[in-house]
Amino acid sequence: AQKVTQAQTEISVVEKEDVTLDCVYETRDTTYYLFWYKQPPSGELVFLIRRNSFDEQNEISGRYSWNFQKSTSSFNFTITASQVVDSAVYFCALSEAASGTYKYIFGTGTRLKVLA
Amino acid sequence: DVKVTQSSRYLVKRTGEKVFLECVQDMDHENMFWYRQDPGLGLRLIYFSYDVKMKEKGDIPEGYSVSREKKERFSLILESASTNQTSMYLCASNGGATDTQYFGPGTRLTVL
Repeated sequence: AQKVTQAQTEISVVEKEDVTLDCVYETRDTTYYLFWYKQPPSGELVFLIRRNSFDEQNEISGRYSWNFQKSTSSFNFTITASQVVDSAVYFCALSEAASGTYKYIFGTGTRLKVLA
Repeated sequence: DVKVTQSSRYLVKRTGEKVFLECVQDMDHENMFWYRQDPGLGLRLIYFSYDVKMKEKGDIPEGYSVSREKKERFSLILESASTNQTSMYLCASNGGATDTQYFGPGTRLTVL
């Protein structure tokens, strides 16, 4: 069965600390896509990144980096030198190509609080 | 830039009222989605539409219906609102089944 687990419900860090948000997924598909979204207090989900299952290369975008490891079914997200503006709820999601149902399976989200 | 807009950011309704939530996207996307978000439960899919006048049930369709008369617009209807439908409602759209979904700003609905 498809499932996305974000075991960390809430994380608090002090500004400038590095923080890693964990995402573990389950799927039987060989072709799938993983996503991270940010939901600031305003409520809108902002797309951050999309990876397909054939591309395990890690990605860095400014202070953000993503570590995709198929061997452990994980797609973790690290924020380096966190800032107060990073405070938000972060969602990991999975989409399976073979299912054809257009459905994203979302994790329950991790609330990140960055304290000044 | 993809733009998904929702008709209201905040809405307060009374039990038994008929409620319409509107979503419009400007990217000519084929697919549109309605989710509800509740604390500790993440996002759950209510309905989605892959073409004009086409719809499919998601995980929690009970108590909801949808309408898609034009490609850019997808409406969520609560025929008779109940207090357990108090929630954040998010609309999304994408151009293909596994393409990135882009979200609107959300509507926080309170049913009294």
